[in-house]
Amino acid sequence: EAGVAQSPRYKIIEKRQSVAFWCNPISGHATLYWYQQILGQGPKLLIQFQNNGVVDDSQLPKDRFSAERLKGVDSTLKIQPAKLEDSAVYLCASSLYRGRGEKLFFGSGTQLSVL
Amino acid sequence: DQQVKQNSPSLSVQEGRISILNCDYTNSMFDYFLWYKKYPAEGPTFLISISSIKDKNEDGRFTVFLNKSAKHLSLHIVPSQPGDSAVYFCAASARIGTASKLTFGTGTRLQVTL
Repeated sequence: EAGVAQSPRYKIIEKRQSVAFWCNPISGHATLYWYQQILGQGPKLLIQFQNNGVVDDSQLPKDRFSAERLKGVDSTLKIQPAKLEDSAVYLCASSLYRGRGEKLFFGSGTQLSVL
Repeated sequence: DQQVKQNSPSLSVQEGRISILNCDYTNSMFDYFLWYKKYPAEGPTFLISISSIKDKNEDGRFTVFLNKSAKHLSLHIVPSQPGDSAVYFCAASARIGTASKLTFGTGTRLQVTL
């Protein structure tokens, strides 16, 4: 079974530039998540999709971050414009069910450095 | 507001001994708890979970204990192996409408020495 695919693996940009990350979840997984992990911290949920609808985006900085999930499969996360504090690993995850205690499968992440 | 706390940033244990990783939470609405393991340059991988209605769940060398009254859970690894060296994240799940939201702790780096 193929895992969650993310690209690119690394990205270096200057502040105020734009950047986009791509995620392809495990086939058949209805729920897709984007997490931000800053060095030394645990992953923080940015946005959660159920199929192509948004379930939770309460911690997404909507003035600069946007995300979409086309046709309930692939997803892109965009930052425009980037700030220094956006330097982090951006993790995409997917899960099969919406039930309690569902297991999330994570991709390897995109490490973003904003200079 | 850190709802899930892992107060030990790191832990070093000898091979063959028991590793005990601790986690505290503040939100009584959490109904499921999970442990994830993360190697460098990889995403977290699921290790073991426990429902809030149970106090123990075991899977091979890994056992998770839940003390609801103390809002505390722990992960025991027996015996510890060098391949267990990784960062371990405690996570707690709460229902948000029809979905579940997972909140992670800050992680504990486990090093198993020879």
